[in-house]
Amino acid sequence: QTVVTQEPSFSVSPGGTVTLTCALSSGSVSTSYNPSWYQQTPGQAPRTLIHSTDTRSSGVPDRFSGSILGNKAALTITGAQADDESDYYCVLYMGSGIWVFGGGTKLTVL
Amino acid sequence: EVQLVESGGGLIQPGGSLRLSCAASGFIVSSNYMSWVRQAPGKGLEWVSVIYSSGTTYYADSVKGRFTISRDSSKNTVYLQMNSLRVEDTAVYYCARVNFRSFDFWGQGALVTVSS
Repeated sequence: QTVVTQEPSFSVSPGGTVTLTCALSSGSVSTSYNPSWYQQTPGQAPRTLIHSTDTRSSGVPDRFSGSILGNKAALTITGAQADDESDYYCVLYMGSGIWVFGGGTKLTVL
Repeated sequence: EVQLVESGGGLIQPGGSLRLSCAASGFIVSSNYMSWVRQAPGKGLEWVSVIYSSGTTYYADSVKGRFTISRDSSKNTVYLQMNSLRVEDTAVYYCARVNFRSFDFWGQGALVTVSS
């Protein structure tokens, strides 16, 4: 059973930088897993931020960036703003038509 | 403009069946991969199923054998037939278009509550 792990919660100061990560229970995350990232506020549908590891979706500010850091996928928010306070999810494509989401990170901006 | 609109959610007893619909506009469903993702109350996102443009389908282990994804090209709509529903299937079900092996457009979601 593949498990994708994210930090349950994170805090950042306004204007600060934060990096959220997405790890596999066994093995390293690479670009072949096509990591993507989503932002969700309560009661709303997810919003796609990043696909294919590091490509920003249309309309996403460039303060959001994706990468591979070591053996994990990473989402970095540079110059955090109050309205970045949300839940963030990564998802990995495992192949054979299967995707696995991480448990999500609740980001607080204070 | 791409738009996805889910419908068909509601309250259903354990063991019952329900069919969700996802009406798409702005693109052709049968030319794309389409997926269902769910979110139990207060929980994270869970991938449920996908239908490829070829018609090939895949399912999460948690729903395999109980749920069926399908599409109707004439209505540009994707469906999720859910049988043998369990209390743990209670969730908001989102329809999403798959692109670059990620989910690029999402519907607003449909709430399914399984309870006696």
